[in-house]
Amino acid sequence: AQRVTQPEKLLSVFKGAPVELKCNYSYSGSPELFWYVQYSRQRLQLLLRHISRESIKGFTADLNKGETSFHLKKPFAQEEDSAMYYCALAQGGSEKLVFGKGTKLTVNP
Amino acid sequence: KAGVTQTPRYLIKTRGQQVTLSCSPISGHRSVSWYQQTPGQGLQFLFEYFSETQRNKGNFPGRFSGRQFSNSRSEMNVSTLELGDSALYLCASSRPEGGNEQFFGPGTRLTVL
Repeated sequence: AQRVTQPEKLLSVFKGAPVELKCNYSYSGSPELFWYVQYSRQRLQLLLRHISRESIKGFTADLNKGETSFHLKKPFAQEEDSAMYYCALAQGGSEKLVFGKGTKLTVNP
Repeated sequence: KAGVTQTPRYLIKTRGQQVTLSCSPISGHRSVSWYQQTPGQGLQFLFEYFSETQRNKGNFPGRFSGRQFSNSRSEMNVSTLELGDSALYLCASSRPEGGNEQFFGPGTRLTVL
């Protein structure tokens, strides 16, 4: 069965500090992994996906199939990064997303 | 382009009633998915419709059903409401070839008393 685990419910860092939001997944096939973000009073929106291998708003995420992880990283956190972050997995070609429980990131001034 | 819209935004029902929620996808998007979000279970996939056909289904009881119309608009219905059905119901749409990027609506907050 597909499963996504985000071990940290809450994460608090200071502005300018590095941040890493952890995501581990369980899936026997070739997964497609995503990070979605929800800022206060805004809709859930895609931040990045592993197939794009791009950096969005300074965030990157690398798929590590050996460790079944897709951690989200940013070298220097900004206050505007404070939000709820969800890691999600989809079977190749499927629209069905399996979400982790989310990590609430707070970046303190 | 207008985003995904959901109506109504808020709904209060009592146990045993039924409810219908509506979702209008982004123009040109033909896939519509529904998710239930609760504090305890997080975001859980309900079902996905594409070209008026249910393509994927999550692990929810048969009280939860949906449909999609020829203009890609979708509705979901919950019959015989239970207290545990209180949740935020999110709709998301995507292009057929969109590589799974889903665009979410603001949600419908359902409260069952």
